This record gives sequence, C-alpha cells and structure tokens, in this order.
Amino acid sequence: GESVGLHLPTLSVQEGDNSIINCAYSNSASDYFIWYKQESGKGPQFIIDIRSNMDKRQGQRVTVLLNKTVKHLSLQIAATQPGDSAVYFCAENIEDSSYKLIFGSGTRLLVRP
Amino acid sequence: NAGVMQNPRHLVRRRGQEARLRCSPMKGHSHVYWYRQLPEEGLKFMVYLQKENIIDESGMPKERFSAEFPKEGPSILRIQQVVRGDSAAYFCASSPGGYYNSPLHFGNGTRLTVT
Repeated sequence: GESVGLHLPTLSVQEGDNSIINCAYSNSASDYFIWYKQESGKGPQFIIDIRSNMDKRQGQRVTVLLNKTVKHLSLQIAATQPGDSAVYFCAENIEDSSYKLIFGSGTRLLVRP
Repeated sequence: NAGVMQNPRHLVRRRGQEARLRCSPMKGHSHVYWYRQLPEEGLKFMVYLQKENIIDESGMPKERFSAEFPKEGPSILRIQQVVRGDSAAYFCASSPGGYYNSPLHFGNGTRLTVT
C-alpha cells in the first residue's frame, strides 16, 4: 500500500504503553479542533474532537487535551495496540470559515509488538 | 450505510491529459468538500459545493482546476492539462447541511499520478 508521509515525525511505542501525540496550532481564533487517523491508502478517519470552551475530552481509549494559552493540542491513546499504527493529524477551524479545516503536518505512530 | 465513495481509487495520467475524479456523497448529503493531500503533508482545502452551486473555491488553483456538483450524479473534480505537480491524493467529504463545528467524514480518496 501507499505510504503517507515518509519523512513525518515518528513516535514509536511498545504495545500496551500509552501514546501522546502533540500538535501546535497557529490561529488563536480557532474554536474547534479534531484529531484524525490516517492509515496507509485510506482517507482520514475521525477520532475525537474538542471545542475551544473545553480543555479536555475523553473517548474510548483516547483523550484530547487543549491548552489555548500556548496553542497546543495533544492526543493520548491508552494501551496502544498494533491497529493504532497510522499517521495522526490534528485539524482546526475558525468560526467564520467553518468548513475549512486546517490540517497539521502529521505524526506517524508505530506500535512495536 | 455507505460512506463517501470516491472513484477511481487510482488514476494515472500523462502530462497534458485530463483527470476526472468523482465523489458520491453519503446518502442525503447535499454538501461536498474537496481536499488535496500532497506527499508528506496534511490535507488542504480546495472547494466547497452544494448541489449546482460553488460556495467557496478559494483553495482551488486559478487555472486548469474546476469542480461541479450537479443536481443528479456525483461531484466531479476536473483537472485539465495535468502536470507532475498535480500528483497527489484527492479526498472528498460530505455533510447533510451547512457544516459548522462538526467533524467532516472523508472518503478513501483518489490517488492521481502524473507521468
């Protein structure tokens, strides 16, 4: 299959460990943030989102943290599994162009068995 | 309960040829969004269409690129006289109405290779 982002930053973790993927966003007016997972040869798959009036949101095995002061977003994956191996993108948008997602450059997560 | 469907999955064109990429939105969705992903980069917005209307094409290159979403049938992204720099993955997403603060769900894309 096709590889996405051969030179992306890579995070390598042991299966079962927790993973933390970080993202710095650029626009202080951004009010909605999304994490996507992209496997080789596929489109981005929605994982979790968070609005700017929150600083933390939890899903199944995933947590997103938002620090608006330093414009930083993180995705935490608990008990990382081999199926979590993929490229992860954060995306942001601002109210007055709500359909234009601005994607970050991505992080490749490799899970070692 | 099919998601966004894109075809073809892979498209190879020689320089100077035309490329046509198709996107069938999820059932009941009348809004379509096209994004492009260059190698090693995140997706970048190209165009937002409703049925028979282009709402925002600010992300489209000014020349050679066009998009449509007719009353019947899929949305089409058309690239005329392709060049090697057009090689990329093109993704489509859809929504039932105006999109605001809800996640876009993407198809699996068309990977265009220009030789």
